[in-house]
Order: sequence, then structure tokens, then C-alpha cells
Amino acid sequence: NAGVTQTPKFQVLKTGQSMTLQCAQDMNHEYMSWYRQDPGMGLRLIHYSVGAGITDQGEVPNGYNVSRSTTEDFPLRLLSAAPSQTSVYFCASSYSTAGNTIYFGEGSWLTVV
Amino acid sequence: EDQVTQSPEALRLQEGESSSLNCSYTVSGLRGLFWYRQDPGKGPEFLFTLYSAGEEKEKERLKATLTKKESFLHITAPKPEDSATYLCAVQEASGSARQLTFGSGTQLTVLP
Repeated sequence: NAGVTQTPKFQVLKTGQSMTLQCAQDMNHEYMSWYRQDPGMGLRLIHYSVGAGITDQGEVPNGYNVSRSTTEDFPLRLLSAAPSQTSVYFCASSYSTAGNTIYFGEGSWLTVV
Repeated sequence: EDQVTQSPEALRLQEGESSSLNCSYTVSGLRGLFWYRQDPGKGPEFLFTLYSAGEEKEKERLKATLTKKESFLHITAPKPEDSATYLCAVQEASGSARQLTFGSGTQLTVLP
């Protein structure tokens, strides 16, 4: 049981480039989400999904795009990378019922130069 | 707007020296309060969920407690392997909301 798997682990982008952070879970969780973690600011929600075909914005959605075509996968797209998007990104998932444990992936370290 | 404040920001303890970490929160209605442990270069690892005031949960040297305004993570006789950043998060009880609002964490260092 792999849990929540994120790729790549590390990535360096140039300003203006686009890329996709991949997230997959094998726990049949309906709820998936993306957070970013910056020093001194805690984890902040970017986008989330309550099931295949359904996505919504979190606290800091600008510059990011998501889709949910399957239950297992929830990719995060950076459309035109900016230095302000340098951060650590975490994907998380849980069963649909609120109050259930939310499990996190190992993180993707992104640097935009 | 939900707010979560953790204190202290950093804590250094000698091995065996018990202490507590604080998480104070402001939320219109609490569905759950979560504690996570995060090691350097890793994702948050789930520790506890507390749902109502007065609830307590324990795991090895850790015990989490909850009141209507704050939660404490008590660490009894810590060991160096307990060194990590401890994160607190709240989940609001409004509709189907599942997202977590996190505090900034307490970085715990336990010295041998």
C-alpha cells in the first residue's frame, strides 16, 4: 500500500515555464487536495476535490490549475511559473466524510528561478 | 476566518524533560482538531484527531488534549527521536468542508 505518492520530488523551473506536479493515491479516497508550505506560514490550501470531475479553489489558488479525471489522480499544474511559487507542495487525501484522517504525501520541492 | 496559533515556535528539551506544546484556535464550529508530526524533508505524519472538548488521546510518549479554545500536546520523558516539527490543524464544521487550517508549527529538539 503506497498511500499518497507525489512526483517529482525536486524540480527547478525558469520563470514562465509550465509544469505538472503529479499526485496519486491507492486508498480509494474521494477527497484530495494540494497544499503549499512556506517558512513561517504553515500549510495553505491551493485546490481540492471531493470526487472525480469535481474541483474547487482553496485559500491560494492563483497561478495553479487542477483536474480530477479519476479517483486516484489529482495533478497540479503551474501555468506560468513565478518566483513566488517557489515552495514545498504537498498532496493529501482522505475518505469523503468530514472528520476523517487526512494523509499527506512526501512533498515536491519546487524552485522557480 | 479560522485561525490557528501554535506556541512556542521552537522548544529545546533535554532527554527525559517533559513539556507541552500549545495550539490555540478560533473557528466558528469545530469538526476536528488534528495533530501531525513532520520530519525534515518529509510530509506531515498523522498523530491524533480530537473532536470535542475534554477528549484526550495518547500514543507512546504523546498525549493530546482539547478544550473549547486550545489543544495541548504533552510530551512525557521525550527521547531524541521525538525531535520534529509538530503541526496543529483545525477542520471547520460547516457543510461538507474538509480542508484543514494549519498553524505554523512548533519545532521540537530533544537533546541527548
